[in-house]
Amino acid sequence: DADVTQTPRNRITKTGKRIMLECSQTKGHDRMYWYRQDPGLGLRLIYYSFDVKDINKGEISDGYSVSRQAQAKFSLSLESAIPNQTALYFCATSDTRDRAVYNEQFFGPGTRLTVL
Amino acid sequence: GDSVTQMEGPVTLSEEAFLTINCTYTATGYPSLFWYVQYPGEGLQLLLKATKADDKGSNKGFEATYRKETTSFHLEKGSVQVSDSAVYFCALSPPNAGGTSYGKLTFGQGTILTVHP
Repeated sequence: DADVTQTPRNRITKTGKRIMLECSQTKGHDRMYWYRQDPGLGLRLIYYSFDVKDINKGEISDGYSVSRQAQAKFSLSLESAIPNQTALYFCATSDTRDRAVYNEQFFGPGTRLTVL
Repeated sequence: GDSVTQMEGPVTLSEEAFLTINCTYTATGYPSLFWYVQYPGEGLQLLLKATKADDKGSNKGFEATYRKETTSFHLEKGSVQVSDSAVYFCALSPPNAGGTSYGKLTFGQGTILTVHP
């Protein structure tokens, strides 16, 4: 089984709809991240979480919210989706307690979201 | 703030050709540097990394050397294969100074590599 899983893998929705993307991990890592990938722009950080009590905004958090329901689960919500949120979304994890690998991140397979 | 710039793609090569993908960065101090690879339909996975100046990261025939004087971390492979076709991302992480930046990654825009038989 994959260490970092994302659901759904593909989603098509309409403008104005609320949508939630979910991420689960079995690696026991403390930190989790949400990124979006757009062609020619690389990956941009939306939100990240140190633990269930600590959520931080990334560089492009407007229009998004997150919830860290447990150490292993981190969900991303679009309260009212708009077409320019069409992108590939990735969840990632890292173990910042291990000084040898604290800055290595492990990625899920991605969710392709289309907003019509 | 920190930034990473990669050579623009796409890059198209024949099998067994030599590969170079350029990466330069802007950051304070001595960041850690990474190359991640994204195969079609998959998430990113770490290819190699270097944590201090003059370190060479290597994996699967790929190499990159941390050059502080030129703020570069160019990816090279002597003989590419069709299976190397993927998107390659250069990234950096700030020095281990704690705080909210601890462990965060800044990515370049990615370079698409296509290798033909």
